[in-house]
Amino acid sequence: QKEVEQNSGPLSVPEGAIASLNCTYSDRVSQSFFWYRQYSGKSPELIMSIYSNGDKEDGRFTAQLNKASQYVSLLIRDSQPSDSATYLCAVRVVSSNTGKLIFGQGTTLQVKP
Amino acid sequence: DGGITQSPKYLFRKEGQNVTLSCEQNLNHDAMYWYRQDPGQGLRLIYYSQIVNDFQKGDIAEGYSVSREKKESFPLTVTSAQKNPTAFYLCATVGTGGIEQYFGPGTRLTVT
Repeated sequence: QKEVEQNSGPLSVPEGAIASLNCTYSDRVSQSFFWYRQYSGKSPELIMSIYSNGDKEDGRFTAQLNKASQYVSLLIRDSQPSDSATYLCAVRVVSSNTGKLIFGQGTTLQVKP
Repeated sequence: DGGITQSPKYLFRKEGQNVTLSCEQNLNHDAMYWYRQDPGQGLRLIYYSQIVNDFQKGDIAEGYSVSREKKESFPLTVTSAQKNPTAFYLCATVGTGGIEQYFGPGTRLTVT
């Protein structure tokens, strides 16, 4: 079983719609969760971090965390073509103090005009 | 101009040659990381360093070596022992007391 799992997609949504990206993780003691956006050929850019259960909003982005279900999601409201990218979910391993992140394989989002 | 720099952006080498990838930061961050990304996959940790003169192996360290002689610099050498070196290599840093990792622009290495 992979430690962090994402549907590779592509997820296709029309412009203006809500895009919902999902991620599950296997390590129950994980405490820190991150979403990175990666445009084709570029490096990942941190867009959201979440540490406690519930929702965290930042502009058009909302991260949702449910530790009981070991599930973290990213909602993008009013999706724009410029949101088309691969979104990587990352989980921080807390069994050591290394700061190590475990990444999912990423979900490709396509926003169609 | 602050941030993380990686050079070169593209690198081409022949099989059997060692190659060194540069990662420099002027953010005064303590921790630095090297990841590898293959097409359609997430990032995998190669090496990391939390302080100068100390570094630890990640999940896929075989065929790689690093040094951390200065806080600002964490170069990665891809040796001829690495079986599949062609990949996108990413360097990341974390500030003191922080946990969020920020990435440099990456180096795309092609070995033929």
